[in-house]
Amino acid sequence: EVQLLESGGALVQPGGSLRLSCAASGFTFSSYAMTWVRQAPGKGLEWVSGISGAATSTYYADSVEGRFTISRDNSENTLYLQMNSLRPEDTAVYYCARDGEVLVTGLFDYWGQGNLVTVSS
Amino acid sequence: DIQMTQAPPSLSASVGDRVTITCQASQDISNYLNWYQQKPGKAPKLLIYDASNLETGVPSRFSGSGSGTDFTFTISSLQPEDVATYYCQQYDSVPYTFGQGTKLEIK
Repeated sequence: EVQLLESGGALVQPGGSLRLSCAASGFTFSSYAMTWVRQAPGKGLEWVSGISGAATSTYYADSVEGRFTISRDNSENTLYLQMNSLRPEDTAVYYCARDGEVLVTGLFDYWGQGNLVTVSS
Repeated sequence: DIQMTQAPPSLSASVGDRVTITCQASQDISNYLNWYQQKPGKAPKLLIYDASNLETGVPSRFSGSGSGTDFTFTISSLQPEDVATYYCQQYDSVPYTFGQGTKLEIK
């Protein structure tokens, strides 16, 4: 059974940093691209970032480019999102999701339960 | 960026009704379109991929159609457990973008 478990969400001040983790199980992690999608309170879904299975390719939404870094540790079956220079508008539930086989395709077939990040003073 | 315009924003229907949601892309995305269901407090769930393919395990009352810029999502006979918000999403190109969502309620 595919399982994705996010952690690391917290209350952080504007300008601060936070690292989210997503522990994967039930599939060959290194064979799949992975992605982060966020949802601000009461709002819709926003794709944030994606990474290929071998971590050779990464992609970012303009809203986080230069501030967020996606990475993965295939030996630990874990996906990460390093978030720097956080802004109040980054407040959201962050979901990790499984993407296509090897390459980032945009087809998200399994999702984690979500993790809340609140940016506020 | 490709804009996805979804309609209506909300919808109220009776059990057994046929429900239709539309999604329009700002440019041709071929059939690179997914539909997701999100129940309150839960993660989104993939229902339809490639515009018309039903994800494994999803009930056959759900269906999708369309290509190019205009797409349709249909529930053939609404059930109480279908109360949720539904999103379309294009995956023709990065950044992948979602529609604004359609909140579906039972009348």
